[in-house]
Amino acid sequence: QVQLQESGPGLVKPSGTLSLTCAVSGDSITSRDWWNWVRQFPGKGLEWIGEIYHGGSTNYSPSLKSRVTLSVDKSKNQFSLNLKSVTAADTAVYYCARGSWLSLFYYMDVWGKGTTVTVSS
Amino acid sequence: QSALTQPASVSGSPGQSITISCTGTSSDVGGSNYVSWYQHHPGNAPKLLIYDLTERPSGVSNRFSGSKSGNTASLTISGLQAEDEADYFCSSYTTSSTWVFGGGTKLTVL
Repeated sequence: QVQLQESGPGLVKPSGTLSLTCAVSGDSITSRDWWNWVRQFPGKGLEWIGEIYHGGSTNYSPSLKSRVTLSVDKSKNQFSLNLKSVTAADTAVYYCARGSWLSLFYYMDVWGKGTTVTVSS
Repeated sequence: QSALTQPASVSGSPGQSITISCTGTSSDVGGSNYVSWYQHHPGNAPKLLIYDLTERPSGVSNRFSGSKSGNTASLTISGLQAEDEADYFCSSYTTSSTWVFGGGTKLTVL
């Protein structure tokens, strides 16, 4: 059974960097899958942040591209999110999700339970 | 504000059918068959219900079905059950090679 678990600080200061890790169990980070980050704002709306392939290829949301970096740690079977220059608007529940090839395309078929990050001084 | 528009809430009685809409543009829902739907019980991981507009992953009840007309995708839940009470959100791949989501719909089973 594939499981994803987010971890990281729950509180980040404004202008600081938000750093989260997603540990993957039951699947290899080096499979054909893409590994995603999605966030859900307090008002319930969701925003895709970006995705990474184990080879290092990345795709980012255009609105966040200048502040986001995704990376993969194959030795630990996990991937990470760094979001710099955060403001209160980055306060959200952050989810990691696996993008798996279900047909001719891939979908986020397994998600973590999410971790709440608050940006506040 | 989410890229895809969903009603904030819908409700129905056990046994009834309900439909949740997801409206986008020709750059996402209207121009893509890569549309998916998720069920989310708060505090738990979201669960994939529908992909490729109409396909169900193994293990998902056939009470859940998807469709599309123009720029609007829809999720229909038939034979409502108490455990269907949850948040539902849609997602679409876009012509810009990104993913967009709906704002989510809270389903109340009366």
